[in-house]
Amino acid sequence: KQEVTQIPAALSVPEGENLVLNCSFTDSAIYNLQWFRQDPGKGLTSLLLIQSSQREQTSGRLNASLDKSSGRSTLYIAASQPGDSATYLCARNQFYFGTGTSLTVIP
Amino acid sequence: DTEVTQTPKHLVMGMTNKKSLKCEQHMGHRAMYWYKQKAKKPPELMFVYSYEKLSINESVPSRFSPECPNSSLLNLHLHALQPEDSALYLCASKNWDRPNYGYTFGSGTRLTVV
Repeated sequence: KQEVTQIPAALSVPEGENLVLNCSFTDSAIYNLQWFRQDPGKGLTSLLLIQSSQREQTSGRLNASLDKSSGRSTLYIAASQPGDSATYLCARNQFYFGTGTSLTVIP
Repeated sequence: DTEVTQTPKHLVMGMTNKKSLKCEQHMGHRAMYWYKQKAKKPPELMFVYSYEKLSINESVPSRFSPECPNSSLLNLHLHALQPEDSALYLCASKNWDRPNYGYTFGSGTRLTVV
């Protein structure tokens, strides 16, 4: 099984804070990495996709980076809002999902 | 249309029942996927179809039987399930010819086996 680990498992921050979510993978054969959010009991919403030839992608307040040599990706969320509360999942090569980070942004 | 539609949204079935989950997309995506997600766990890949042919089967028990009758439709036939098969079943699609584009997921079918 491909191992994809996300740290922390849960995170609670006050509104307005900038935060970083981490995704680590053990297999260096990576073609792309995708970040998703999932609201409770719902499907997944795609946030950002980074190809192996790229180092980062940005969309609005979100920035995702990829470091293949260290086997890590980070998702940076700027100026967090209560609506950002959800579980964030990374997926390596679009098949293998990480363990997820449950984010709560407190108003 | 930029959505993946899954039906039903909720399903309760007995262990002797036969039921089917349906997934539909009209984005012209030629790759379609079934995932299983248990509570507080990440999605686990079950099946991948590319161009209506099964390309990946992640050692899924035969009581789950996928079918891709056309490029827009993906079914998952269920028979003789166990209570531990209760989970959220997610369907996704992707443009197989454009690897720079990611998945589109449906909202899932919440399955309960009693």
